[in-house]
Amino acid sequence: EDQVTQSPEALRLQEGESSSLNCSYTVSGLRGLFWYRQDPGKGPEFLFTLYSAGEEKEKERLKATLTKKESFLHITAPKPEDSATYLCAVQETGGYQKVTFGTGTKLQVIP
Amino acid sequence: DTGVSQNPRHKITKRGQNVTFRCDPISEHNRLYWYRQTLGQGPEFLTYFQNEAQLEKSRLLSDRFSAERPKGSFSTLEIQRTEQGDSAMYLCASSLAAGGFYGYTFGSGTRLTVV
Repeated sequence: EDQVTQSPEALRLQEGESSSLNCSYTVSGLRGLFWYRQDPGKGPEFLFTLYSAGEEKEKERLKATLTKKESFLHITAPKPEDSATYLCAVQETGGYQKVTFGTGTKLQVIP
Repeated sequence: DTGVSQNPRHKITKRGQNVTFRCDPISEHNRLYWYRQTLGQGPEFLTYFQNEAQLEKSRLLSDRFSAERPKGSFSTLEIQRTEQGDSAMYLCASSLAAGGFYGYTFGSGTRLTVV
């Protein structure tokens, strides 16, 4: 069964202090790996899709990378508005639409 | 379209009662998904529709749960004989034909509390 493990569970950063979030996954065949951002009381908001090892995607201060067993979400010079829970998810090959989410990393950026 | 709309936002019900939630997806999205999220956990897949056809169901979806998407537009999720363990945020999402490749657009969810 697909497994997604995210670390750390929580991360507290000073504004401007760059860091990375980790997502390790186990899947029989990877169709896609996704990153979402979730604010309290809201549904997840789509950030990136990565398809194959070596791929990178960027959006503002966020950069996602993918290897064969894990993905990293790098946050460069974060701002307080980047505070949220970041969720990683995988979809396996085989035509299934099910996406398996990790438990997320709760990021707090302090001014 | 302003996104995926879910109603109600909050529902408190007594154990044993039936509840129904509604989801209105983005109009051009033909794929619709239901997920459940409990505190501190990631969303868990419940079921998936392509147009009006329910094509996937999770083992989590017991016989007390039923979902419909008549005419491939809005969808409803009904829980019969609610239990305290059903308390969670129920999220609906929609997407274009390629599913997760373009990311899901999630609604803000319906928070169910069973007392």
